[in-house]
Amino acid sequence: NAGVTQTPKFQVLKTGQSMTLQCAQDMNHEYMSWYRQDPGMGLRLIHYSVGAGITDQGEVPNGYNVSRSTTEDFPLRLLSAAPSQTSVYFCASSYSRPRGGELFFGEGSRLTVL
Amino acid sequence: TQLLEQSPQFLSIQEGENLTVYCNSSSVFSSLQWYRQEPGEGPVLLVTVVTGGEVKKLKRLTFQFGDARKDSSLHITAAQPGDTGLYLCAGGNWGKLQFGAGTQVVVTP
Repeated sequence: NAGVTQTPKFQVLKTGQSMTLQCAQDMNHEYMSWYRQDPGMGLRLIHYSVGAGITDQGEVPNGYNVSRSTTEDFPLRLLSAAPSQTSVYFCASSYSRPRGGELFFGEGSRLTVL
Repeated sequence: TQLLEQSPQFLSIQEGENLTVYCNSSSVFSSLQWYRQEPGEGPVLLVTVVTGGEVKKLKRLTFQFGDARKDSSLHITAAQPGDTGLYLCAGGNWGKLQFGAGTQVVVTP
């Protein structure tokens, strides 16, 4: 059971380049989300999805796009990378429960924008 | 703006000592969660507290949810080097779970 799989684990981009961070889960979770983690800032929610075809913005959505065409996959797209997007990105998934649902995290994708 | 304030930011103790980490907010939460994160890995859930005044124990870890459901604490008894990690509290609607900035705990032998 792989859980939540993120690729790539490391990426270096130049300012203005675009890329997609991939996230896949094999637990049949309805809920998926993307967070970024910066020193001293904790985890901040970028976008989330409560099911295929449904996405919504989190706390820091600017500069990022998402789509959810299948239950398993939730890619995060950076359209024009900026140095401020240098961070560690985590994908997480959960059963669809009103409260107290456990978030299962991937191992993270470390992105550096030069 | 962080809705959840954690203190202290950093804690370094010797093996065998006790420690307490705090998570405070001005908002009321229907539930609060505590996660632990180790370097190079994603956070892992330790516990969820849902009832005001609730106390949960996980071996040497004791978690408490405030009566007003605005704060929580994590107490570790007789800390061990394996307890080293970043401790994060999280709260909010499960769809928009927000995290505190974390408390880095270092336990030295």
